[in-house]
Order: sequence, then C-alpha cells, then structure tokens
Amino acid sequence: NAGVMQNPRHLVRRRGQEARLRCSPMKGHSHVYWYRQLPEEGLKFMVYLQKENIIDESGMPKERFSAEFPKEGPSILRIQQVVRGDSAAYFCASSHSGVGGNTIYFGEGSWLTVV
Amino acid sequence: EDQVTQSPEALRLQEGESSSLNCSYTVSGLRGLFWYRQDPGKGPEFLFTLYSAGEEKEKERLKATLTKKESFLHITAPKPEDSATYLCAVSGGGADGLTFGKGTHLIIQP
Repeated sequence: NAGVMQNPRHLVRRRGQEARLRCSPMKGHSHVYWYRQLPEEGLKFMVYLQKENIIDESGMPKERFSAEFPKEGPSILRIQQVVRGDSAAYFCASSHSGVGGNTIYFGEGSWLTVV
Repeated sequence: EDQVTQSPEALRLQEGESSSLNCSYTVSGLRGLFWYRQDPGKGPEFLFTLYSAGEEKEKERLKATLTKKESFLHITAPKPEDSATYLCAVSGGGADGLTFGKGTHLIIQP
C-alpha cells in the first residue's frame, strides 16, 4: 500500500540548526501539500506544490521556511535556523489533481522538536 | 476567510451509545467538505467527502451528512476502537489548502 511517505518521523534539532523534512506522494499523485499542526491547534495549510512549481505558499511563514518538489525525488520542506516555536507535527498530503473538491491523503507526519 | 468550528471539543460515550459530532462552516463557494480520523501520533485518515447539501455517506458505524451551514458525523453503536479525534475540513473560496476545524476528541468507554 504505497501511501504518502514521510521521513524522518521524528527529528530533534537545536535552536539555529536546519531541519529538512521529506515527502513522497502517493503513487500516481502529482500534487503535494504541507500542513503544520501545533499543540492544541488545528492543522494549518502551509504550501501547495506540483512538480517543479510552487502553486500556493500563502500559509508559509515569510522567513526561514521553504519548500520544493523537484522533477525527480521527494518534496522537501526546509526550515532554517529553527526556533522553539517551530516544534510541531508537519504533515505532507497528496492528491491526484488540484484540491478543488478532490480528496487529499495524508502521511503519518514528521514530529519536529527544537531544543 | 473560510472558517470551521467543531463541537463538542471532547465527547465521552459508553460503548453502544450513539451520538453525533457537529461541524459548522463558513466558506464562499464550497467545493468539498471532508471528514478525517486522527489517532495519537498518526496522520489524518480519510473518511468521507461531501460535495452538496443533502448528500449523505456511510462507512461501517459512521454516517456523514451535509447541509448548507453544517455537517454531522453520526456514530451508531460505537466501539472502543472508534476512539480518536475526528477532523472536519472544507475546500472553497478559491483557496488551494483545506481549512480544518480543531477536531472532536471522542472516547468510547467499554
């Protein structure tokens, strides 16, 4: 069952380090989304990508955060110079086509802890 | 701006005790309403998509319904394994991302 694959599942970084989270979409899916879930808060949309294109990054913090989905390989969410407030669960999701009513499927998440 | 409010925040039921979870939403141009189940330490697991008022979908002990302002997730004769957080989300308003509610934490006691 080739679902959405994320790694690492758990990541610990010291303040100021970089975190890289990887996501391989479900087989046959070319649309990738990243969401963040902070403790006691709901899932928040961050960014929507297709191969080699960022379609919507309206939910991404303006600084330190970037995302890519290269022609080959997984999608990457990169957080530079991490701070304690970046500690959260980061979920990747994918869909066969754009969101507009199409179901998106989530991975198991990457839990980032900043110490 | 799209908004989703789920109630109650938490619900404790006895095994076999049926109930409903509510999802109220505000969105310009609903393209879909989604229900997910999330277990601790896991990602959201897709349950249902509803597209228009009056639509209903069922899966085992769960039934989702949709009106123009809210959706209900009815759970019939629940079992302890139905314990989870149930998330509601909407797609609409031209946005690419889903807008999620904070979820209802459901506990089914044996």
